[in-house]
Amino acid sequence: GAGVSQSPSNKVTEKGKDVELRCDPISGHTALYWYRQSLGQGLEFLIYFQGNSAPDKSGLPSDRFSAERTGGSVSTLTIQRTQQEDSAVYLCASSLASGRTQYFGPGTRLTVL
Amino acid sequence: AQKITQTQPGMFVQEKEAVTLDCTYDTSDPSYGLFWYKQPSSGEMIFLIYQGSYDQQNATEGRYSLNFQKARKSANLVISASQLGDSAMYFCAMREGLRLRTGTALIFGKGTTLSVSS
Repeated sequence: GAGVSQSPSNKVTEKGKDVELRCDPISGHTALYWYRQSLGQGLEFLIYFQGNSAPDKSGLPSDRFSAERTGGSVSTLTIQRTQQEDSAVYLCASSLASGRTQYFGPGTRLTVL
Repeated sequence: AQKITQTQPGMFVQEKEAVTLDCTYDTSDPSYGLFWYKQPSSGEMIFLIYQGSYDQQNATEGRYSLNFQKARKSANLVISASQLGDSAMYFCAMREGLRLRTGTALIFGKGTTLSVSS
């Protein structure tokens, strides 16, 4: 079946603009995770959803970052007033509710000029 | 302290040879899982293999095996008969508390770049 999909694959924006990144998990996967991969910090956890609720937002780096999930499916990660340090690849992963393995999408490469 | 340590930034191997990628971990939780992911230049993270802390036997998946030494807190990935397509970045990762709660995030190492030559 279809894997995790993310859009856009690449996003170039200017400093100070808002961006929205989308993740469409594997059908039936109720758990959804956002991670960020940057050269300096490696792979970092951002937020976890179970259904539409986010019991763990501990990885969001600032209040400029927010995420929502609707219908227990698609999730949107929003970064407001982007900064150059937000440049990174944003990865989304999904799993079954109690699944041990997370399956990743191809990522969105964000470049903030 | 880092929870996942991968000490080899880069490894080079010839086709058909076996290669071991090192991973050590640090946790006080008795219940945890260890994962290896492959990230080719295309960027997607591909799940390779899993080892649970209570598993008695080392995990194997085709050409991949995990050399799990619990007392030493190491979980090395062994790739047998390397292929050109194995050239990629490899990440070791851990999830803690698997029996107690769901939704725990993966903690990743810094990765090892594997280059396979013909």
